[in-house]
Amino acid sequence: EVQLVESGGGLVQPGGSLRLSCAASGFTFSSYAMSWVRQAPGKGLEWVSAISDGGGGTYYADSVKGRFTISRDNSKNTLYLQMNSLRAEDTAVYYCAKVPDSLGHCTDCLRYFDYWGQGTPLTVSS
Amino acid sequence: QTVVTQEPSFSVSPGGTVTLTCGLSSGSVSTNYHPSWYQQTPGQAPRTLIYSTNTRSSGVPDRFSGSILGNKAALTITGAQADDESDYYCVLYMGSGIWVFGGGTKLTVL
Repeated sequence: EVQLVESGGGLVQPGGSLRLSCAASGFTFSSYAMSWVRQAPGKGLEWVSAISDGGGGTYYADSVKGRFTISRDNSKNTLYLQMNSLRAEDTAVYYCAKVPDSLGHCTDCLRYFDYWGQGTPLTVSS
Repeated sequence: QTVVTQEPSFSVSPGGTVTLTCGLSSGSVSTNYHPSWYQQTPGQAPRTLIYSTNTRSSGVPDRFSGSILGNKAALTITGAQADDESDYYCVLYMGSGIWVFGGGTKLTVL
C-alpha cells in the first residue's frame, strides 16, 4: 500500500525558514518523480514544486522560485521541501504527491498525481 | 502567465448529469496537457479521479468520465449522487516539469 506521510509543518515568523519532509513507502521511491502541492485556507490547490526520480531535475512555481528548494533522499525514501524567506501568503496545508513516472523522456507519459499524503499545515505569522 | 479556468460552482440534481470544464485563459486544452481531475472534500486530501484526459483512476466509479469538449477538458458525472458533493480540481501539465491547477469547482448536489 502506498503511503505518503508529511511532517515538519508548524508556525513560523515571516522571513523564517522551515523544512518539510514526506516519508514514502509501499513503492519503489527512486523510480518516480514527486511533487509538493499546497492549499491556502479556504482556497484551491496550487502546484508548488516537483523533482525527477533521481533528483537531477527540479521545477518550481513562480510564486516560490528562489525561496523554496525541493530535494529527495532515495536511500531514505524521503522527499523534502526547504522553505526560506517565508511570507504570510505561504500559509497553507502542504501535500506531497507521487507522480507515476520519472519526469524523464517518455512515450506514454503519465503527468499527474496518483497518490497524495494527508498534508502538513504551515502558518506564517508573527 | 497561464491561467487554468474552471466554473467556480455548479449544481446538479441527484441522478442528474453535470459536466465541469477546464480551460486555458489563452489557447485550447488538448491531450498534450495531460489533463487530470481530483475530488476533494473539506479537511481531506485530494482524490485522483481521472488522468490522461479520460482514464479513470483505480476504484473510481464509471459515472465519472473525462474528455475534451471543444477547447476544454471536461469531467462528466452521470447519475450524480449525494456524496459527489465536493470540490473538483483539474490540473494541466505545461511541460518542463510544471503543472497549473484550475481554481476548482464547488459542486452541490440538491
